[in-house]
Amino acid sequence: DADVTQTPRNRITKTGKRIMLECSQTKGHDRMYWYRQDPGLGLRLIYYSFDVKDINKGEISDGYSVSRQAQAKFSLSLESAIPNQTALYFCATSDRQIGTDTQYFGPGTRLTVL
Amino acid sequence: EDQVTQSPEALRLQEGESSSLNCSYTVSGLRGLFWYRQDPGKGPEFLFTLYSAGEEKEKERLKATLTKKESFLHITAPKPEDSATYLCAVPVSEKLVFGKGMKLTVNP
Repeated sequence: DADVTQTPRNRITKTGKRIMLECSQTKGHDRMYWYRQDPGLGLRLIYYSFDVKDINKGEISDGYSVSRQAQAKFSLSLESAIPNQTALYFCATSDRQIGTDTQYFGPGTRLTVL
Repeated sequence: EDQVTQSPEALRLQEGESSSLNCSYTVSGLRGLFWYRQDPGKGPEFLFTLYSAGEEKEKERLKATLTKKESFLHITAPKPEDSATYLCAVPVSEKLVFGKGMKLTVNP
């Protein structure tokens, strides 16, 4: 089984709808991240969480919110989706206790907002 | 501003034609440089971490090297299955800053 899973893998929705993307991990890592990837722009950090009670905005958090329900679960919400939020979304994890910044990524969610 | 720049943006090679990808950075006090491989529609897969100038790491046909200002990913005698986008990243304030990636295509 994959260590980092994301659901759904693909989603098509309409402008104005509320969408939730979910991420679960079995790696036992304390840190979790949400990125979006757009052609030509690379990976950009949306939100990150260093533990259940610690949530931080990344470089492009406007229009997004997150919830860290447990150490293993980190959800990303789009309260009112708009077409320019069409992108690939990735969740990642890392382990502070190891002392490195190595991040491990999930398989991604392809989101299309019509 | 801390930056990570990858070049070239895209590279097309014939099978067996060796080449190198470049990742330059302007982060002060480097605490590591990361290389990832990403296949289309999939999440980035961790390849290497380099921590100090002069360090080298190898995996199959890939070898990563690090200087004080840049890192190279050398690909020796590539095969079509090496086709992917290669990303480099540096840690800044306990987060990773990624370059935009380099798309490698290896033709048979």
